[in-house]
Amino acid sequence: DARVTQTPRHKVTEMGQEVTMRCQPILGHNTVFWYRQTMMQGLELLAYFRNRAPLDDSGMPKDRFSAEMPDATLATLKIQPSEPRDSAVYFCASGLGTITGELFFGEGSRLTVL
Amino acid sequence: GDSVTQMEGPVTLSEEAFLTINCTYTATGYPSLFWYVQYPGEGLQLLLKATKADDKGSNKGFEATYRKETTSFHLEKGSVQVSDSAVYFCALNNNTDKLIFGTGTRLQVFP
Repeated sequence: DARVTQTPRHKVTEMGQEVTMRCQPILGHNTVFWYRQTMMQGLELLAYFRNRAPLDDSGMPKDRFSAEMPDATLATLKIQPSEPRDSAVYFCASGLGTITGELFFGEGSRLTVL
Repeated sequence: GDSVTQMEGPVTLSEEAFLTINCTYTATGYPSLFWYVQYPGEGLQLLLKATKADDKGSNKGFEATYRKETTSFHLEKGSVQVSDSAVYFCALNNNTDKLIFGTGTRLQVFP
């Protein structure tokens, strides 16, 4: 049963620390997305890749966030330095682009910054 | 640009009640339409979809019909269960890589 895998599932850290979240997309999918979900803002698109190339990171605070795909099986989202306002659930999703239009989501990484 | 509008929640129902969650969209052309469901503590998962006008998507007793004339894709279920309590997201894809999501509607079903 193919699925998107995210690690860690939960992370508690102190303000100023670096946080790295990882995602393994479904094999064969060519698009990968990072979303952030909070009660106040709902679901926000942070960044997305097609064939490992970053296409849109306009939703991401550039000064502290970075997203990369070092290879087709791994996407990373890094926050450095972290701040309490970054506390949220971060979701990774992958898909086949315009072939089907649908996305498959991981279970999320819940980040708490103290 | 393209957008999706959902009814505000929460929607609170008793078990076995009829459910409707309204969704309307704005888009050029003929987008594909989706309903996603997010159970507590989990990621979003596809509930159903429709790819052209008058198509009906269905799954787990839920249905939605793609209405081009009213630009709507309302979610319905004849008899809800406590286990249907979740957040429901309407979304569209207009021949791009991205899904455009609505804000989500929380459904609470009580025994």
